[in-house]
This record gives sequence, C-alpha cells and structure tokens, in this order.
Amino acid sequence: SQKIEQNSEALNIQEGKTATLTCNYTNYSPAYLQWYRQDPGRGPVFLLLIRENEKEKRKERLKVTFDTTLKQSLFHITASQPADSATYLCALDPYGGATNKLIFGTGTLLAVQP
Amino acid sequence: GAGVSQSPSNKVTEKGKDVELRCDPISGHTALYWYRQSLGQGLEFLIYFQGNSAPDKSGLPSDRFSAERTGGSVSTLTIQRTQQEDSAVYLCASSLEGRGGTDTQYFGPGTRLTVL
Repeated sequence: SQKIEQNSEALNIQEGKTATLTCNYTNYSPAYLQWYRQDPGRGPVFLLLIRENEKEKRKERLKVTFDTTLKQSLFHITASQPADSATYLCALDPYGGATNKLIFGTGTLLAVQP
Repeated sequence: GAGVSQSPSNKVTEKGKDVELRCDPISGHTALYWYRQSLGQGLEFLIYFQGNSAPDKSGLPSDRFSAERTGGSVSTLTIQRTQQEDSAVYLCASSLEGRGGTDTQYFGPGTRLTVL
C-alpha cells in the first residue's frame, strides 16, 4: 500500500541544536516533495520544495534532502529556536508531477526547549 | 493581499443535519483544494479543482460529501446527513497555476466541525 510516514513521536531538542525530521514513503514515485509548518489552530504554511533531481535545498536555517533511492526526505533546522516549535508536515505529489495534488504525512511535532 | 479565508471558523451541528463550509481562495489562484484533518492526524485530501477541468474527487470519503466551485473562485464543501466521524477541521488551500509539481499551496485557517 502507499504510505507516507513521519515520526509520530514528538521531537524534543535544546535551543541551538540541529533538529532533524524524517519523511519516508513507499510505493510512490514523486517528482517533488514539499515541507510545511503548522502551528496550533492554523493552516499549514509552505517552507521548502525539493525536486527529484535535487539532492539538497537550503533556505536560511532550513535544509531539505531528498533521496529517491531510499525514498526518504530529511528536514533539518540548524541553530533551532523556541519559535521553531511547531508541527512539520511533508507532502508529495502522487502522480510524478502530472497534477498538483499533494498527499501529506501525519507530521512531526517539534518542541525546542530554551 | 488577502489570504485564503474560510467560514464559519467553527460549526457545531447535530447528527443527521447538512452543513456547508465556504472557502474564498486568493484572487487569481486557479487551483483550489479541500482537506480534512482529524485530531492528531495529517491532512487527508478530499477534492481538487483546477481551472475549468473536471475536479479530482478521489478523496471524498462517501457520497454524503460534495463540493462545487462557482465562477472559478469561491468553493463550498457540503456534507449531508452528518455523522460524528465527520468531526474534524476542514482546510481549504489555493495555488496560483496548479501546474504539475511545483505550486505552493496557501492554506486558510480551517473550519472546525463538531457533530454531536
């Protein structure tokens, strides 16, 4: 069956450390993968998009990797801050770029302790 | 400019009643999406409108759910004969062009539906 899996356990880290979140998928061949941030009571907000032919993408303190062989994306936040505390969702396109439909993972809750 | 807006923000209804949820996308966005998010769960895709093309309804959980988009803008999600398992936050998103792969989706704040 088709699945997108993210750590269901909350990730607790100390301020200043690097947070690494994992997104694994099975039986999909996405052309791209996106990461979103969701705060309580709000809709998700887009952070980064990475294409299948890109190994790594960076934006300020954020870095995303995409390994189509392992069927995995890693999302890193360096020098983490308490304001980074939120749920982070990965999403992929199930039709290899044919449409703009996205399938979302269940998200990982990140808590950055001061 | 204005983002995606949804109304109502909260809706409490009795089992068996019909409800309508409204989404106003960002002006000029051609693609519109509806998702459902249950407590502690990820976003469940419901339906996707792209321009004048036939909508992708593959995520609608039953024939009690329907959606329309009038004039390529405002969308209404209708749930008939609501059940308690329909209780969730219903999120709407829009994107600029809906081209395969690269559009950023902009989300509204959601409508929290509670079915008693």
